[in-house]
Amino acid sequence: GAVVSQHPSRVICKSGTSVKIECRSLDFQATTMFWYRQFPKQSLMLMATSNEGSKATYEQGVEKDKFLINHASLTLSTLTVTSAHPEDSSFYICSARGRAHESTDTQYFGPGTRLTVL
Amino acid sequence: QQQVKQSPQSLIVQKGGISIINCAYENTAFDYFPWYQQFPGKGPALLIAIRPDVSEKKEGRFTISFNKSAKQFSLHIMDSQPGDSATYFCAASLMRGSARQLTFGSGTQLTVLP
Repeated sequence: GAVVSQHPSRVICKSGTSVKIECRSLDFQATTMFWYRQFPKQSLMLMATSNEGSKATYEQGVEKDKFLINHASLTLSTLTVTSAHPEDSSFYICSARGRAHESTDTQYFGPGTRLTVL
Repeated sequence: QQQVKQSPQSLIVQKGGISIINCAYENTAFDYFPWYQQFPGKGPALLIAIRPDVSEKKEGRFTISFNKSAKQFSLHIMDSQPGDSATYFCAASLMRGSARQLTFGSGTQLTVLP
């Protein structure tokens, strides 16, 4: 159990376009979802935390108007990279946690989305 | 204070050997310490985790040792196998507002030679 999926797994887009990445919890209701960014051979950096039905909380230095996060339901969160530029190219990973996982503080990670902006 | 320092950056071990990865933290508010394993092009997967009220936790070939006074914790992989070759991240968790958040170490790339 506790499977998180992401779609798409890879996306290549032109500079200036917007890209939407979906994160779904497949077998549990995700009360909290997290979005991370990972550059090659580097660690995961938390971008934002979102609770279902409320606005996302962004980490310092993350532009909320550029990285739009919507946690519309207990099984779906989306990250939209608006007006993408080459420097936005990265590996974006979501994670999710449900009420059943709160006692163990466990986050379950999706497989990631590789974004390449030309 | 939010940083988690991880070492070594890379590690090469012979098959059957012991792999040891170390992490240190500053913020005493951290109260949950998981380790994640990540294969190339994949998201991290939880390997094992510990809370600061215990000094050691073992699951199969994986053991976490925790030293609360030194604010250090380590992952030991016994009888390392080529299939263990991956990047390992330590992490520390604390409550921020209404949500728990993870702070990751910089990662260790483990290579187990056959």
